[in-house]
Amino acid sequence: EAGVAQSPRYKIIEKRQSVAFWCNPISGHATLYWYQQILGQGPKLLIQFQNNGVVDDSQLPKDRFSAERLKGVDSTLKIQPAKLEDSAVYLCASSLDEGGFGKNIQYFGAGTRLSVL
Amino acid sequence: GNSVTQMEGPVTLSEEAFLTINCTYTATGYPSLFWYVQYPGEGLQLLLKATKADDKGSNKGFEATYRKETTSFHLEKGSVQVSDSAVYFCALTTGNQFYFGTGTSLTVIP
Repeated sequence: EAGVAQSPRYKIIEKRQSVAFWCNPISGHATLYWYQQILGQGPKLLIQFQNNGVVDDSQLPKDRFSAERLKGVDSTLKIQPAKLEDSAVYLCASSLDEGGFGKNIQYFGAGTRLSVL
Repeated sequence: GNSVTQMEGPVTLSEEAFLTINCTYTATGYPSLFWYVQYPGEGLQLLLKATKADDKGSNKGFEATYRKETTSFHLEKGSVQVSDSAVYFCALTTGNQFYFGTGTSLTVIP
């Protein structure tokens, strides 16, 4: 089966510009996650969707970050305006379950590496 | 709060050497524990998991045992190969949040 697709793979922007990342999860996976992975750190969950609803966005900096999953399939994560500290790899993951991290496996995309200059 | 602490890398081993990557955790409740692996240029992949105390997760020759008394989930492999070179992440969940360690880079040399 096809894995989690993310694009672009790399993006370089200047601070205060806007950027958007796209994710297409594995077909049939109800749950979709966006993570931020800063160099030298582990991934940090930004937002979790179940179908097209938000389950958890407690660590999403809502003043500049937004995400949507309009039809319960693919998702877009946006940063507007970007800051230097947003430089990171943005990972998308999906899972088949409809609740509970421990019950099903998360499948990760290769990520989008963002550099903010 | 919940957190995961991994041994710092990088770790460099010769092929066929024994591998241990230490992981300890702090959690409220009864977490599930995971090891993920990230090969160069790829996304994270689940390597193994354990959902309750004394469970042993295993996959591809890797093993880890959920030790509640020492709050540990150390990753081991008896004989590493060059193809095991990757970054390894320990992680936990209590059902509401998912927490990753900072990752340990492993390089295996022939």
